[in-house]
Amino acid sequence: AQSVTQLGSHVSVSEGALVLLRCNYSSSVPPYLFWYVQYPNQGLQLLLKYTSAATLVKGINGFEAEFKKSETSFHLTKPSAHMSDAAEYFCAVSIKGAQKLVFGQGTRLTINP
Amino acid sequence: NAGVMQNPRHLVRRRGQEARLRCSPMKGHSHVYWYRQLPEEGLKFMVYLQKENIIDESGMPKERFSAEFPKEGPSILRIQQVVRGDSAAYFCASSPNIQGNEKLFFGSGTQLSVL
Repeated sequence: AQSVTQLGSHVSVSEGALVLLRCNYSSSVPPYLFWYVQYPNQGLQLLLKYTSAATLVKGINGFEAEFKKSETSFHLTKPSAHMSDAAEYFCAVSIKGAQKLVFGQGTRLTINP
Repeated sequence: NAGVMQNPRHLVRRRGQEARLRCSPMKGHSHVYWYRQLPEEGLKFMVYLQKENIIDESGMPKERFSAEFPKEGPSILRIQQVVRGDSAAYFCASSPNIQGNEKLFFGSGTQLSVL
């Protein structure tokens, strides 16, 4: 079975500062890993995904994440936060061929001016 | 090309009533997934359907919940005799192909409130 833990339900950073959202996973087989973003009153949008190719994955809006097998982590980063990054972020795991994602509980990112 | 459409956005029901949540997938998508998000929790998988078939319902509660995706029309998630614990956001997602977990497109969700 797979599981995901997102450390910190709320993260607050200043505009221009580094964004770091933490995600640790558990999987008995090589996982697929995802980050989704949810803006207020909207559905989830895929930010980026890891599917066993390059361990450093670049996504939309300047976000990237690094798959670290030894740490079972897939943390999301962005060098410089923008006000428009304020949203809820979800990390998710699945296995190849599976039709269902297992989500973390989400991290609400607040950007301070 | 319209995205995944869910309606209603907000649904209020009294205990014991029925709730029907609708999901129209993106054009050309034949795979639909329903997820539920309880307060302060992540999204949890409920059911995966293709046209006229339930493929995986391992996340569906055993009683009161059912889902369908008919040949014509939207997918419907039906909750009979709702209880307060059913209050949650229900999200639908669709995909165009069998590797659905790589390209899932989500709707904006239906917020169900049970009084």
